[in-house]
Amino acid sequence: GAGVSQSPSNKVTEKGKDVELRCDPISGHTALYWYRQSLGQGLEFLIYFQGNSAPDKSGLPSDRFSAERTGGSVSTLTIQRTQQEDSAVYLCASSPGLAEAYEQFFGPGTRLTVL
Amino acid sequence: KNQVEQSPQSLIILEGKNCTLQCNYTVSPFSNLRWYKQDTGRGPVSLTIMTFSENTKSNGRYTATLDADTKQSSLHITASQLSDSASYICVVSDEGSQGNLIFGKGTKLSVKP
Repeated sequence: GAGVSQSPSNKVTEKGKDVELRCDPISGHTALYWYRQSLGQGLEFLIYFQGNSAPDKSGLPSDRFSAERTGGSVSTLTIQRTQQEDSAVYLCASSPGLAEAYEQFFGPGTRLTVL
Repeated sequence: KNQVEQSPQSLIILEGKNCTLQCNYTVSPFSNLRWYKQDTGRGPVSLTIMTFSENTKSNGRYTATLDADTKQSSLHITASQLSDSASYICVVSDEGSQGNLIFGKGTKLSVKP
């Protein structure tokens, strides 16, 4: 596609439910990144993929968070048993490769609200 | 510790006026510095990117400067427009660590008519 797309754009869920956020990177980009932006805070790096591999998961806030990428393209970020503090905008970005991490193009984000 | 500090936290200016946003960083070794504009409810969009050897880069009414010796960057907006209202985020990349970007918390700019 022309840019990074994310879905849904907005998600409201009840505390304790699981949610799945989707990211479609720019076609041909092998590196993909997930960030979280809480109200009034800067961007918080969560995890990156090179191809289908995520070598460092230490940025994920808790074991309720997981991410996967299949086919070197679409990625999903799953949050299990959501908590109110999970409410934030979740941003996805992609770059041609990890060596071009500075060339990240961002998607519009998914606004998650946990009631 | 690698950090990126931006100032001011927020800024209100009148349409047509100029303004300058600041970014100080302690990232080392330094690779490049990028300014992003983030409209409310949207993802960040890149404005400029500068490497160690560059000390100024323009993109329309936006001009970024970089002083790698003092580890400071500024983003100057000329003849501001209402559409410039957004958050401006400074992002610094270090060498070597792939995917290691250090984000500032941004400056929220409001341009009033």
